[in-house]
Amino acid sequence: KQEVTQIPAALSVPEGENLVLNCSFTDSAIYNLQWFRQDPGKGLTSLLLIQSSQREQTSGRLNASLDKSSGRSTLYIAASQPGDSATYLCAVRYSGAGSYQLTFGKGTKLSVIP
Amino acid sequence: DTEVTQTPKHLVMGMTNKKSLKCEQHMGHRAMYWYKQKAKKPPELMFVYSYEKLSINESVPSRFSPECPNSSLLNLHLHALQPEDSALYLCASSQQATGGSTNEKLFFGSGTQLSVL
Repeated sequence: KQEVTQIPAALSVPEGENLVLNCSFTDSAIYNLQWFRQDPGKGLTSLLLIQSSQREQTSGRLNASLDKSSGRSTLYIAASQPGDSATYLCAVRYSGAGSYQLTFGKGTKLSVIP
Repeated sequence: DTEVTQTPKHLVMGMTNKKSLKCEQHMGHRAMYWYKQKAKKPPELMFVYSYEKLSINESVPSRFSPECPNSSLLNLHLHALQPEDSALYLCASSQQATGGSTNEKLFFGSGTQLSVL
């Protein structure tokens, strides 16, 4: 069964700190990996998408990396701010049968303390 | 316009009611999705529409009935729901459904928070 795991489930950091969120997946045959942010009771906001042929993507203070061979992705957030507090979800689009859907991790709930 | 718009934002209904959730996108996407998300859980796929035709039904009970009137609109008709159906219902869209394009991104709406009494 293709799975996505996110560790830790929750993370609390002081404002200004750099941090890394982790995502691992069980099968290297993927089309892409997408990082989302979700605020409580709200929809998902796409942060970064990394294609299977790419190693990393950057947007502002966010940097996402992809290592297909080890089945890992990281989301690096620089100089964290209280407004970054949210749940961060990693989702993988596996190739082959079932490529129409994303497989989500359970998320990491981030709290940035002022 | 990179938005997926969902209405209503909140809905409370009784078990005998009939209601509908609506979703709209104007990005020219040909794939649209319904997801269900329970508290503190990741989204679960319910339905996929590709080119206005239902292509995937993830064994969803018949009390949920999707409809795609045109390429920009997606509805979810609700009838005789149970309290355990209370959840956040998310609509999403993408260029296509099969994942053949490696740079394909999924765009989500802000969701409808549904409570069934």
